[in-house]
Amino acid sequence: SAVISQKPSRDICQRGTSLTIQCQVDSQVTMMFWYRQQPGQSLTLIATANQGSEATYESGFVIDKFPISRPNLTFSTLTVSNMSPEDSSIYLCSVEAWNIQYFGAGTRLSVL
Amino acid sequence: RKEVEQDPGPFNVPEGATVAFNCTYSNSASQSFFWYRQDCRKEPKLLMSVHSSGNEDGRFTAQLNRASQYISLLIRDSKLSDSATYLCVVTGNQFYFGTGTSLTVIP
Repeated sequence: SAVISQKPSRDICQRGTSLTIQCQVDSQVTMMFWYRQQPGQSLTLIATANQGSEATYESGFVIDKFPISRPNLTFSTLTVSNMSPEDSSIYLCSVEAWNIQYFGAGTRLSVL
Repeated sequence: RKEVEQDPGPFNVPEGATVAFNCTYSNSASQSFFWYRQDCRKEPKLLMSVHSSGNEDGRFTAQLNRASQYISLLIRDSKLSDSATYLCVVTGNQFYFGTGTSLTVIP
């Protein structure tokens, strides 16, 4: 299995500010994913982050709002930019290893 | 049409009961199938993968019906600790998650 460390675990932010979420994996993985999960909803894929290339964003998500870094095979960051209350959600980092997805514990974001 | 559809429930069952969840998927070319479990305020965790011939892990049985494009999860002898949301996951060019089925096992 893959062990993922994600931080911060939670944050309360003012609108208009930005928050960067970090994701560290205990092994080298090719693909890392960033998801959003609204309360009572399932997971929505924001983007796929591959090392050495631009992240691939899903429909409805853009790089200016959710810039992603993937500097190496064990680390990635997601920034939520210019936040509004609608960005309040749980953000989850995930990796694929041996055809299984493993998740970080998530970042619970509240925007006031 | 959604890639994966699940009955959201909630399912409220007494301890010891048998409960079954179904999940349908739209892409006949889907390759891999999983059930994940998500506890309240926690991340999803793999419960079991679903093999073509069906598979069992203790009280849990997963089955795949490719012709009808659905997978199922059967939980026997429900325990209080089984209370969680169960997510159906299907892979194609990415992992597609169902909305989850909420289960509460009542003493």
